[in-house]
Amino acid sequence: QMQLQESGPGLVKPSETLSLMCTVSGASVSSYYWSWIRQSPDRGLEWIAWIYYGGSSHCSPSLRSRATISVDMSKNQFSLTLNSVTAADTAVYYCAQIVWGGASFDPWGPGTLVTVSS
Amino acid sequence: QSALTQPASVSGSPGQSITISCTGTSSDIGSSNLISWYQQHPGKAPKLMTYEVSRRPSGVSDRFSGSKSGNTASLTISGLQAEDEADYYCCSHAGSDIYVIFGGGTKLTVL
Repeated sequence: QMQLQESGPGLVKPSETLSLMCTVSGASVSSYYWSWIRQSPDRGLEWIAWIYYGGSSHCSPSLRSRATISVDMSKNQFSLTLNSVTAADTAVYYCAQIVWGGASFDPWGPGTLVTVSS
Repeated sequence: QSALTQPASVSGSPGQSITISCTGTSSDIGSSNLISWYQQHPGKAPKLMTYEVSRRPSGVSDRFSGSKSGNTASLTISGLQAEDEADYYCCSHAGSDIYVIFGGGTKLTVL
């Protein structure tokens, strides 16, 4: 059974870079499409980016200038970096597999809370 | 692009059926069959309940059913049970650039 687990710092200072990792177990990261999604009380659920191991990826237009998604097949992980963070980036960040056919997500990791504060 | 519109709350008694609506535009729900619904219990990650409008993942009860008409998608839960009390979110493909947008969420209370 596939499982995903997010990891990363719980606290990031404003203007710094947020780096998150998603470790996949029970499946190969080279077999599917993967995504990052975040959730906050103010913005609700917000899709951030998707990636396929072959090199194709895509970020939300609203975050494209600050977000990078990548995959590490040797570690069976994929990651997200978000630079120049502000308090508006405070959220629970989830990684998820994209269901074959597209535009739906299953399973999700349990999520990791990231707070942007000095 | 704005979030999809869902009612803030719905309620029903055990055994009843309820329907949650999700209204979008011709740029998302109206032009896509890639519509999904998620259930989220407090402190947990969202769980996929239906996808591609009306398909159910393995393990999801057939009490949950999805549909779509025009720019509005719906999730119907029949035979309400106490464990169905949760937040529900719709999601629609919105083109290759925006990719997907979510609804604002609906809190379901089982009376």
